[in-house]
Amino acid sequence: DIQMTQSPSAMSASVGDRVTITCRASQGINNGLDWFQQKPGKVPKRLIYAASSLQSGVPSRFSGSGSGTEFTLTISTLQPEDFATYYCLRHNTYPLTFGGGTKVEIK
Amino acid sequence: EVQLVESGGGLVQPGGSLRLSCAASGFSLSDHFMDWVRQAPEGGLEWVGRSRNKVNSYTTEYAASVKGRFSISRDDSKNSVYLQMNSLKTEDTAVYYCTIAASIGGYHYAMDVWGHGTTVTVSS
Repeated sequence: DIQMTQSPSAMSASVGDRVTITCRASQGINNGLDWFQQKPGKVPKRLIYAASSLQSGVPSRFSGSGSGTEFTLTISTLQPEDFATYYCLRHNTYPLTFGGGTKVEIK
Repeated sequence: EVQLVESGGGLVQPGGSLRLSCAASGFSLSDHFMDWVRQAPEGGLEWVGRSRNKVNSYTTEYAASVKGRFSISRDDSKNSVYLQMNSLKTEDTAVYYCTIAASIGGYHYAMDVWGHGTTVTVSS
């Protein structure tokens, strides 16, 4: 199975900061990667699909990049409502696999 | 309004069985790929399995951790999908989510819409 390594597992940041989260695949996955956001007690929500396409309704401060084995989620200017846990999801082959998650906390 | 509502969770002993249901409203479930996803207490997300849409004969895929124990089925007349869980283990304890994929450009992007989840606790 293809393994996904997400980093960092947690981070502290301030409102207005630029935040970058990375997922690395153990082998190439083309653009078969999505990003999800989950707030405490809430259902996950997709932010990015196909590595870099913004889900409808998601603010433009969120962006995704990468292809092959390394992928990045960037929040250009962190807002108070962005404090949450973020997951990558690899879906180019079965089994689908999530990264371990990145918890973004308030500094 | 597009909605998924799970039910059937509860407390079960190790080795027992449980069937989760997911009822869809606002759309025809048969048109969509669907995935079950679970989240252990204070844990991350784990894909459980997939049922492709009617056009693809409702064929299924499963995670290695549940293969042979869990199965996904559908009932078009009830616009519902089910997750039959047998030989349950303590490590199956989690919130189970029903999700549907969005078809974009002919590709089915998983987990576009989520239910609220149903909690399964496996304990003696």
